[in-house]
Amino acid sequence: SQKIEQNSEALNIQEGKTATLTCNYTNYSPAYLQWYRQDPGRGPVFLLLIRENEKEKRKERLKVTFDTTLKQSLFHITASQPADSATYLCALPDNYGQNFVFGPGTRLSVLP
Amino acid sequence: DAGVTQSPTHLIKTRGQQVTLRCSPKSGHDTVSWYQQALGQGPQFIFQYYEEEERQRGNFPDRFSGHQFPNYSSELNVNALLLGDSALYLCASSLAQGGVEGLFFGPGTRLTVL
Repeated sequence: SQKIEQNSEALNIQEGKTATLTCNYTNYSPAYLQWYRQDPGRGPVFLLLIRENEKEKRKERLKVTFDTTLKQSLFHITASQPADSATYLCALPDNYGQNFVFGPGTRLSVLP
Repeated sequence: DAGVTQSPTHLIKTRGQQVTLRCSPKSGHDTVSWYQQALGQGPQFIFQYYEEEERQRGNFPDRFSGHQFPNYSSELNVNALLLGDSALYLCASSLAQGGVEGLFFGPGTRLTVL
């Protein structure tokens, strides 16, 4: 069955460092992958989409890579700030391409 | 431009009761999806509504049902509540052609079943 794993449940880093979050999937061949941010008690907020033919995508301090051979996406936050503390979710389109299957999320804490 | 709105924000029910949650999509969006998110987990897809029809359904029992109105707003109904139904229920809107622009989520309804 289709499965999405995110590297760890929680990640603590020091302010100013680069945070790297991992999303691995099995039994998928997605045309694209998305990353969302979720703050406690709130709905997820869409951050970035990367397509299968794109190796890398950037948006301000965010960078996403997508390796369809390894079936893995990496999500980087450079020069991290305490305000970046949140749970980050990766999501893949389902077989119909209309809805998404979400990973369990990684809770990032950026320490001042 | 109002984003996705949901009501109520919190709800407490007892086992066996029924509940109705409501969602208004982002302006211009015609498709509404519902997700259930248990504590510490990612959102799980319940179903999607488009043109007032259930277009796709996830692995949830028939106790979960929904409706979409002509103005694209939507309701999620859960009958015969179980303790395990306690979760954050998220509504997400998008355009019919797919979610390449990302799903727009509401703030969610926190349901507690006692």
